[in-house]
Formats: sequence, structure tokens, C-alpha cells
Amino acid sequence: DTAVSQTPKYLVTQMGNDKSIKCEQNLGHDTMYWYKQDSKKFLKIMFSYNNKELIINETVPNRFSPKSPDKAHLNLHINSLELGDSAVYFCASSQEGTGMQAFFGQGTRLTVV
Amino acid sequence: QKEVEQDPGPLSVPEGAIVSLNCTYSNSAFQYFMWYRQYSRKGPELLMYTYSSGNKEDGRFTAQVDKSSKYISLFIRDSQPSDSATYLCAMTPYSGAGSYQLTFGKGTKLSVIP
Repeated sequence: DTAVSQTPKYLVTQMGNDKSIKCEQNLGHDTMYWYKQDSKKFLKIMFSYNNKELIINETVPNRFSPKSPDKAHLNLHINSLELGDSAVYFCASSQEGTGMQAFFGQGTRLTVV
Repeated sequence: QKEVEQDPGPLSVPEGAIVSLNCTYSNSAFQYFMWYRQYSRKGPELLMYTYSSGNKEDGRFTAQVDKSSKYISLFIRDSQPSDSATYLCAMTPYSGAGSYQLTFGKGTKLSVIP
């Protein structure tokens, strides 16, 4: 039973398109995150979100937006995709107060052509 | 200077060797230090975490933190081929509540040769 699951696992799309990646966690955690791992394997925080606050990494373009329909889901919407958006996107979750113990999904490999 | 520096390797060792992986950091606000293991095409999984300075042992793995030197280490004893993966250090400041945004090193790719 997967703790943090993302869909789709692979996504190939053209420049200029709008796409979404879904994330669900069944751990009962109250905080969720999106991370981006670039071609050099560098993993960088994009957003963290719980029911109290959304923290946005200042380097993230506003074409990226997180949407949380409920505590167990945090989806990532990307508008006007660019070639440089190609990367692996990881969703993660943690319980408030134990955020160092983040659990990651398997990743979504996004390729923009 | 990057916040967290980690030698990307690759590091290749024979089975049974002791492996030493290291990270340095510049932000003195970091209080929690973690090591994640990432197999190819998988998400990172937490191996160990420590709070502030000191040592922590879990089976064949030992994590060390030296805040005065801003230096953390992960030691793997009796390394196994199944330990072959990329090891990422991560750290975060203590916020008291709310979300913890982790700052990762670039990861060290380890290969344990049978």
C-alpha cells in the first residue's frame, strides 16, 4: 500500500501546454511538499503546504501552482510549459513537528519537447 | 558558496568496505540533519536523521554531525551491493512548527562491487 503516490509516472508534452501532476498520501500527514530534481540530480524544494500556510520557494516561476483539494492531496499545475521545466518532480509529506521525516513519492518524469 | 556541498562521486568500493560520505554546509541555522538514499528512478527514502551535534547509529549506518565545523558524515559498515545508490544529505532549520523545507546536497553516487 503506497504511502505517497504520484500520477502520472511519466509525462511527455509539448512546449506551451498546461499540465497537472497529482499527489496523494495515505499517511495522515498534514504537510505536503513538491520538490524538483534536475538533470544533475539536484533536489530542490518548490513548495510546502499545510492547512495553515503555503510557502513558496522564491525561485519558482509563477507558472507553477500547487492546489490542495484536501489534506491528503497536493496537485501541481504547470502553465505554459518550457523546455527547462523538464525534470523529475517529487511529492513528499510529513507530519507537523516531524518534518525532517519526509516521505517521498516515486517521482514524475516530465519531458517537455 | 552553495548552502550544502556534497561530493557527487561516483564512489566505488569493494563489498565489505567501510564507506564514508560527507557534506559541509554554510547556514548555521540548520538544526536537523538527514541522510536519504535514492535508488535509480525511485524517490528518496529517509535513512537517518539527527538533531544538532552528535552521533547516531542504526545497524550498519552511523550518522555524525559536527556543528562547530558545519560538517556531517554518514558511515556504512560492511557495505553490501544492495547499498549501491545515491546518498543525499539534507538539512533544515528548526522552526518550532509547520513545514520543514529540506535543503539537499547534490548526492553522492555509491557503487559497492561484489
